[in-house]
Amino acid sequence: DVKVTQSSRYLVKRTGEKVFLECVQDMDHENMFWYRQDPGLGLRLIYFSYDVKMKEKGDIPEGYSVSREKKERFSLILESASTNQTSMYLCASRQLAGTYNEQFFGPGTRLTVL
Amino acid sequence: AQKITQTQPGMFVQEKEAVTLDCTYDTSDQSYGLFWYKQPSSGEMIFLIYQGSYDEQNATEGRYSLNFQKARKSANLVISASQLGDSAMYFCAMRDINYGQNFVFGPGTRLSVLP
Repeated sequence: DVKVTQSSRYLVKRTGEKVFLECVQDMDHENMFWYRQDPGLGLRLIYFSYDVKMKEKGDIPEGYSVSREKKERFSLILESASTNQTSMYLCASRQLAGTYNEQFFGPGTRLTVL
Repeated sequence: AQKITQTQPGMFVQEKEAVTLDCTYDTSDQSYGLFWYKQPSSGEMIFLIYQGSYDEQNATEGRYSLNFQKARKSANLVISASQLGDSAMYFCAMRDINYGQNFVFGPGTRLSVLP
């Protein structure tokens, strides 16, 4: 059974804190993604990675960074959390080849920044 | 630029009836894939169905089918015989081969199935 796991389902942090969101996949997928989901806006891509130590900015990278030291793990980092980063964060992974390959998602982390 | 439009923020359907969720997309590419995901209140994203731009037949997966009209750039999801468990957010997404590995998602439609 394929699986993408995220370190926390719910997280509450204070403004200015450094926040780490961890994502692990067990499908040996090359591609991994971080999205944030806000009502009425759908999913917006923050960063993605197509290989170990490789990363690319998505549509809304400001205020975020990522790390991919191992193929199975992709971390999202909020260097100094702000209230406008309160959101649902979804991690996904995908096999490299094929237009038809879907993304597999983790359960999401609902982050609240106070 | 790519864009996915889902014009129905919310939909209601009676149990056992069919419902169509709209999705239109905008791309200048010829090769692309369209995906529908379901997100129940628990939050996980569940892949439902895929349609390739070169597929000649509409995709079907159990009670889900895709009404693909390429010239109109629409890929509407049809759910037949709705069940209470179908109540969820539904997202349309697109990936095109020239846009790398990324998906573009629409804003979603919240479907509520009434008993």
